[in-house]
Amino acid sequence: GNSVTQMEGPVTLSEEAFLTINCTYTATGYPSLFWYVQYPGEGLQLLLKATKADDKGSNKGFEATYRKETTSFHLEKGSVQVSDSAVYFCALGAQGGSEKLVFGKGTKLTVNP
Amino acid sequence: NAGVTQTPKFQVLKTGQSMTLQCAQDMNHNSMYWYRQDPGMGLRLIYYSASEGTTDKGEVPNGYNVSRLNKREFSLRLESAAPSQTSVYFCASSVPGQNSPLHFGNGTRLTVT
Repeated sequence: GNSVTQMEGPVTLSEEAFLTINCTYTATGYPSLFWYVQYPGEGLQLLLKATKADDKGSNKGFEATYRKETTSFHLEKGSVQVSDSAVYFCALGAQGGSEKLVFGKGTKLTVNP
Repeated sequence: NAGVTQTPKFQVLKTGQSMTLQCAQDMNHNSMYWYRQDPGMGLRLIYYSASEGTTDKGEVPNGYNVSRLNKREFSLRLESAAPSQTSVYFCASSVPGQNSPLHFGNGTRLTVT
């Protein structure tokens, strides 16, 4: 079945450091890929998405490229801020609607000043 | 702009007690979902409703029932709470479609003793 594997956390960085959170997937067909972010005490919110191979999703300085050849969708940011501290979830949306969304286990990021 | 509203925010139950978690959205979305979030497990879908009047089981439906009261409201009921149901519960909504983002509420933290 469809699954998502993302790097174990927690990840701790200093402000202005480079961030990479790895995400790989297993799926049949051509799924859409998403990154969601959860700030403390809140629900998840969509950070970015990509719907086909080689698409790059971007938002708030974060980027992720849909790589079909490596079945990956790694999240990157060139210079993190304290306000980026949150839990990040990679998710895969297979054909059939949003009810088929499969989430990774989440990676907690802490950015220190 | 309320979005998805969940009540209550916190709840403590004793084993065997029942309760209903409430969820309402004001975005005119057709689809609504209930997830649970457990440490190291990511988000798992309990039930979803593709439209008013329909509900379907997700990955972990046992021990729960749902009601799609109208287009706005989707409630989750625990008839006889168990310690294994201690979790954070999130309601979400979306327009139909594979690429549609989910809009989440801020969650209900439930503890069953």
